[in-house]
Amino acid sequence: GAVVSQHPSWVICKSGTSVKIECRSLDFQATTMFWYRQFPKQSLMLMATSNEGSKATYEQGVEKDKFLINHASLTLSTLTVTSAHPEDSSFYICSRAGATDTQYFGPGTRLTVL
Amino acid sequence: QKEVEQDPGPLSVPEGAIVSLNCTYSNSAFQYFMWYRQYSRKGPELLMYTYSSGNKEDGRFTAQVDKSSKYISLFIRDSQPSDSATYLCAMRVGNEKLTFGTGTRLTIIP
Repeated sequence: GAVVSQHPSWVICKSGTSVKIECRSLDFQATTMFWYRQFPKQSLMLMATSNEGSKATYEQGVEKDKFLINHASLTLSTLTVTSAHPEDSSFYICSRAGATDTQYFGPGTRLTVL
Repeated sequence: QKEVEQDPGPLSVPEGAIVSLNCTYSNSAFQYFMWYRQYSRKGPELLMYTYSSGNKEDGRFTAQVDKSSKYISLFIRDSQPSDSATYLCAMRVGNEKLTFGTGTRLTIIP
């Protein structure tokens, strides 16, 4: 069964609003979770590494003030897209590390900004 | 040049055929190699995980890694319509981040 869940699965919002996406580790307390973005017909791109109880680590080119990450508990990480614009429309996927150094991905959240 | 190259397809094959999916890479330091399957509008699902060179088999799936050629493959035997999905290769150096290919979209025709 699923080990990582995301909510919502899809969201449509107006330009300029903020959207929060939740990622939950269902079977494992995850000190580290990852956030990816996937544009149509493109690969997954790591946006940031979410660390429980400390600041997230962002990849080069990802605006930390625009993509706010909070990892307040061992089972929940949230990504907030602030002041969303149409170019932020994408498929956002979170993951957590597995026992064999692999990663287990959530089902993804499709964001459409009008 | 991208670190990981993967033909995006689309690739269509008849049901029952053997499917061969491939990735090439440029970073010789990659040690861990994975194949993920992603259905439309879903998150990736781990299919195969291999460390260093060699073959690994799991049911109808076989993963091959040739580090000397910087080339990895995924073979699907007796392909089924339910195998229709996008297949992503991914690789990693130690505990560093995963680097993904762009994915190959596969359709199995009944």
